[in-house]
Amino acid sequence: KAGVTQTPRYLIKTRGQQVTLSCSPISGHRSVSWYQQTPGQGLQFLFEYFSETQRNKGNFPGRFSGRQFSNSRSEMNVSTLELGDSALYLCASSKGASNTEAFFGQGTRLTVV
Amino acid sequence: QKEVEQDPGPLSVPEGAIVSLNCTYSNSAFQYFMWYRQYSRKGPELLMYTYSSGNKEDGRFTAQVDKSSKYISLFIRDSQPSDSATYLCAMSEGTGNQFYFGTGTSLTVIP
Repeated sequence: KAGVTQTPRYLIKTRGQQVTLSCSPISGHRSVSWYQQTPGQGLQFLFEYFSETQRNKGNFPGRFSGRQFSNSRSEMNVSTLELGDSALYLCASSKGASNTEAFFGQGTRLTVV
Repeated sequence: QKEVEQDPGPLSVPEGAIVSLNCTYSNSAFQYFMWYRQYSRKGPELLMYTYSSGNKEDGRFTAQVDKSSKYISLFIRDSQPSDSATYLCAMSEGTGNQFYFGTGTSLTVIP
């Protein structure tokens, strides 16, 4: 059974640019959550999608957005990149609507220069 | 104050030792508790998933939840060098799949 796939694995962008990250969940999973991981803050919740609807959103600026497609694949977009956006972005896949086990992908490491 | 507190370590133990990892939390609404293991440059791997208070065992791993004290633990028996990683606790309230994470404890098991 294939796991959670995130692309690309590594990305280098310049301040002010925008970036799109992709996540393909485990087959049959309908919930996708996104997290930002930094050494100082740990894992912080960005948002969660279930059946193409955003259900929860963390405390991040509007520059961070996402969407989910009918096949459950999800994309995350960050506009007007700042140096502080450099982080490991992790996608988690869950089968059900709530409180089901979450399985993470390998992450996309974004470096903003 | 963060909702989930976890001692960052680092923790260093000899091979074969029993390891105890702990988290405390402040939100009494948390009902689901998880432990993840994360190797360097990898995504977190789910180790244990428990609901409410009590113990759950899986091989060398035992997860313990004490809701009255708002305290959870992960015990690793007969620790191996391959257990060297960062261990993250996570918890959720019961609505949606939003999880709150500790900052992680770095563990090194010395052969």
